[in-house]
Amino acid sequence: QITLKESGPTLMKPTQTLTLTCTFSGFSLSTSRVGVAWIRQPPGKALEWLAVIYWDDDKRYSPSLNSRLTITKDTSKSQVVLTMTNMDPVDTATYYCAHLVYYYGMDVWGPGTTVTVSS
Amino acid sequence: DIQMTQFPSSLSASVGDRVTITCRASQGISNFLAWFQQKPGKAPKALIYAASSLQSGVPSKFSGSGSGTDFTLTISNLLPEDFATYYCQQYDSYPYTFGQGTKLEIK
Repeated sequence: QITLKESGPTLMKPTQTLTLTCTFSGFSLSTSRVGVAWIRQPPGKALEWLAVIYWDDDKRYSPSLNSRLTITKDTSKSQVVLTMTNMDPVDTATYYCAHLVYYYGMDVWGPGTTVTVSS
Repeated sequence: DIQMTQFPSSLSASVGDRVTITCRASQGISNFLAWFQQKPGKAPKALIYAASSLQSGVPSKFSGSGSGTDFTLTISNLLPEDFATYYCQQYDSYPYTFGQGTKLEIK
């Protein structure tokens, strides 16, 4: 059974750097075609795809946030970490990580973690 | 970026009804289209991948179709638990993008 869980700070101040960790089980990020993606959802708004990292360390980012995002993996710990620099109140959202397989898309999501940015 | 447009943005229906939600891509995405269901305060749940294939454990009352730029999600025999917000998402090219969502409400 695949499970994922996001963790990180719930409250941040503007300009700070956000570090979110996705801890997963039931799969390995060394398996071909497998990846972990990050998605966020501001309150009352639609989903926004942020980044993905694959088994071969290929990384892709949303162009609108590319300069602020870094995604890394620790296969031995079954974790993926997303950092976002220069946080702003508009970055207030629930952040999700999801298991992804080429062709099959994002099939299992974590419960999400809410991050509020306020001075 | 590929823009995904869903319509309608909201839809009222009754238990037992059959409804269809449409998703249009701003350029061709072959069949790299997924559908998700989201209930308030919960993470999205994957329903369909590759435009028409059901994710594991998803009942056959959900069906998807389409290819290229135009796609549909059909839900038959609506039950109270089906009333939620539905999102389409393309995964043909980066950045993967979502539609704005369709809120399905009980009439």
